[in-house]
Amino acid sequence: SYELTQPPSVSVSPGQTASIICSGDKLGDKYACWYQQKPGQSPVLVIYQNSKRPSGIPERFSGSNSGNTATLTISGTQAMDEADYYCQAWDSSTWVFGGGTKLTVL
Amino acid sequence: QVQLQESGPGLVKPSQTLSLTCTVSGGSISSGDYYWSWIRQPPGKGLEWIGYIYYRGSTYYNPSLKSRVTISVDTSKNQFSLNLSSVTAADTAVYYCARGDAEYFQHWGQGTLVTVSS
Repeated sequence: SYELTQPPSVSVSPGQTASIICSGDKLGDKYACWYQQKPGQSPVLVIYQNSKRPSGIPERFSGSNSGNTATLTISGTQAMDEADYYCQAWDSSTWVFGGGTKLTVL
Repeated sequence: QVQLQESGPGLVKPSQTLSLTCTVSGGSISSGDYYWSWIRQPPGKGLEWIGYIYYRGSTYYNPSLKSRVTISVDTSKNQFSLNLSSVTAADTAVYYCARGDAEYFQHWGQGTLVTVSS
């Protein structure tokens, strides 16, 4: 079965750029998306089809996907961006999630 | 704006069947090219896709759960449902229903915690 791997945690200082990676075999050949999840809340889609932002998602969120790695980049990170982030791809009629990355803004 | 709401028992005994329903509002479950899905998240852990029912009635399940999962739809009530049989403590999780828009999920329910315990 297809697997996506994320680092368990990433730390960033306020105002700096945070990058969260997601690795999978030939992930660049698929569409990757990203969800933000805050404690006690449902996941929120922040990036879809590698780099598109849904309506209402701030421009500081961006994404890319090439080779075996998809990347979520948060520019000018704010305290409100502290959350768990999950990558996800679609493979062989199944939706696969990465294990999640806890973003700490300190 | 489509909204989804899960409902069902919050406590299920081991070996029994977990049953949840997702009520969809703001749009018909029969219209559009969508994959009506169930996703779960054990406490403190990551997300796991369980399966989907396509608006035309076809289903597809996570191979790791396939033998225990059934997803059905009731278009007259604009609802779809999850049955997970022979549950154990490992099935304790927050269960979400979501609408699959091609390869991503933009619309999620608020989630419901189901605890498996005697």
